[in-house]
Amino acid sequence: QVQLVQSGAEVKKPGSSVKVSCKASGGTFSSYAISWVRQAPGQGLEWMGGIIPIFGTANYAQKFQGRVTITADESTSTAYMELSSLRSEDTAVYYCASSDDYGDYQAIWGQGTMVTVSS
Amino acid sequence: DIQMTQSPSSLSASVGDRVTITCQASQDISNYLNWYQQKPGKAPKLLIYDASNLETGVPSRFSGSGSGTDFTFTISSLQPEDIATYYCQQYDNLSLFTFGPGTKVDIK
Repeated sequence: QVQLVQSGAEVKKPGSSVKVSCKASGGTFSSYAISWVRQAPGQGLEWMGGIIPIFGTANYAQKFQGRVTITADESTSTAYMELSSLRSEDTAVYYCASSDDYGDYQAIWGQGTMVTVSS
Repeated sequence: DIQMTQSPSSLSASVGDRVTITCQASQDISNYLNWYQQKPGKAPKLLIYDASNLETGVPSRFSGSGSGTDFTFTISSLQPEDIATYYCQQYDNLSLFTFGPGTKVDIK
């Protein structure tokens, strides 16, 4: 069973960028879709985008098009989410999540990474 | 974009009660609908995929049904450990996903 371990909490200035990593261990990485989902404090879940590492092409929610970049490194079984032009509204917990088969769902989740945007 | 609505936004029920949450899509999504449970401070957990399929290891008191635009999530007998927020999620042929706003469930 794949486990996903994310990088640690970040504090960023408005206008800067953040890059969060998600390392997979214990199972298949390349063939299953990896998604990034965020949750602002006290708010609901928001899907940002995803990638199937073996294909390398990411797709993004319209809201984040042009501001988020999702990549994957098969050699290290690590996925990345980079969000640019940060603003205070981007303060949130960012999760990576993977399907456990070829299905369209997120069955395995990372522990979450808190990103705080503050001047 | 497909919009998702959930109702109610919150509910209180007694242990042993049957709990039902509905999710509606703004257009036909076939059975492209998942349900998640999220407890405070924790990552979400997949319960139901493709509208009615129970994820491995999930208790059978959880179930889902529906197709097209209208979907239902049911807890047949509410347990104290079911206190959480529940989210529906739709997906499309391009593997783009949208979550519903969530339903908070607590014990009366």
